[in-house]
Amino acid sequence: DVKVTQSSRYLVKRTGEKVFLECVQDMDHENMFWYRQDPGLGLRLIYFSYDVKMKEKGDIPEGYSVSREKKERFSLILESASTNQTSMYLCASRPGQGFYGYTFGSGTRLTVV
Amino acid sequence: DQQVKQNSPSLSVQEGRISILNCDYTNSMFDYFLWYKKYPAEGPTFLISISSIKDKNEDGRFTVFLNKSAKHLSLHIVPSQPGDSAVYFCAAAVSGGYNKLIFGAGTRLAVHP
Repeated sequence: DVKVTQSSRYLVKRTGEKVFLECVQDMDHENMFWYRQDPGLGLRLIYFSYDVKMKEKGDIPEGYSVSREKKERFSLILESASTNQTSMYLCASRPGQGFYGYTFGSGTRLTVV
Repeated sequence: DQQVKQNSPSLSVQEGRISILNCDYTNSMFDYFLWYKKYPAEGPTFLISISSIKDKNEDGRFTVFLNKSAKHLSLHIVPSQPGDSAVYFCAAAVSGGYNKLIFGAGTRLAVHP
């Protein structure tokens, strides 16, 4: 069964810490995405990558960066965590350029205190 | 400003009846629409889609209707089952480019016996 795996289900970090959220997919997908899900706002795109070492800003990239050194792994980095980054973070991958085939991970619930 | 809006945060329906979930969009360039379903502690999964060249698409108990002039789409579930209880996200995209999905805020559907 194909999978997108997010390394942590729950994380608690302190304000100002550097935080790494890891995502690994085993489907050889070219495209990978990071979303955050907040009540009343739905899923908002933070960053995406369409190839190794390539990245594009989504709708809310401020305060975040990403890294994609290998095709299967896409990391989201919070350079200096703040309380307004407390959220559910969802990673997804997709083959090619079509609309179909998005596979989401189970999410990481990040709390910044 | 949200380009995809789901104005009903929750909906409660009796088992066996019809569930109607609504979605409005503002960007007239959107030409592909999808519905995703999300259970707690899981990532969203694809449910059904429709392109702007159609006004209806059906898959078993699920039907999506698109009214382009009103910039409105709806998801009908008939008959509703308790296992349909989940959060439903509407998503839209402009074909070409990176085909990014823009999600609505979601509607929590509860189907009770």
